[in-house]
Amino acid sequence: DVKVTQSSRYLVKRTGEKVFLECVQDMDHENMFWYRQDPGLGLRLIYFSYDVKMKEKGDIPEGYSVSREKKERFSLILESASTNQTSMYLCASVEGPGQPTYEQYFGPGTRLTVT
Amino acid sequence: RKEVEQDPGPFNVPEGATVAFNCTYSNSASQSFFWYRQDCRKEPKLLMSVYSSGNEDGRFTAQLNRASQYISLLIRDSKLSDSATYLCVVWGDYKLSFGAGTTVTVRA
Repeated sequence: DVKVTQSSRYLVKRTGEKVFLECVQDMDHENMFWYRQDPGLGLRLIYFSYDVKMKEKGDIPEGYSVSREKKERFSLILESASTNQTSMYLCASVEGPGQPTYEQYFGPGTRLTVT
Repeated sequence: RKEVEQDPGPFNVPEGATVAFNCTYSNSASQSFFWYRQDCRKEPKLLMSVYSSGNEDGRFTAQLNRASQYISLLIRDSKLSDSATYLCVVWGDYKLSFGAGTTVTVRA
């Protein structure tokens, strides 16, 4: 059974703080993704990675960076948190190379509030 | 224009009813289509893939209309446990695009 875990379910940070969101999957998946989910907007892709040390920008990468030093771990970094980054952050992983037409397995999400 | 558009609902239906809703997508080159289900405060999970010829999975039927660029989901004999938000997901241009979701509430 695939398991994707995220370091925190709820997080409250102050404007300007550096924020790390960690995601770990235990199924040796190659592809990992970070999304944010906001009411009325659906899930929007921030960054994704299809291999260790590889990263690609998604639709809304501004204000974010990522790190993938190990295959099972994909970190999302907010260099200087802002209030408009208050959101639900979801990590996902999927097996297989290239096109992720397989099921994406999501973590439980981290609800980040920036005050 | 959003890449994937859904009627947000909510669709409030009694147990046993049939409920159906659509999703439209803007990229005519989209290749694969899915419905994901998301329960309140939970992560999305794959409900079913959508194939060109249409497909069923128990009480759930998915249809794809490439000419009009929409996919549909029909739920027969609704159960209380079907209450959730249903996300339309489209693969194209090397990425998945998610709709904002259609909320379905099944009442006793």
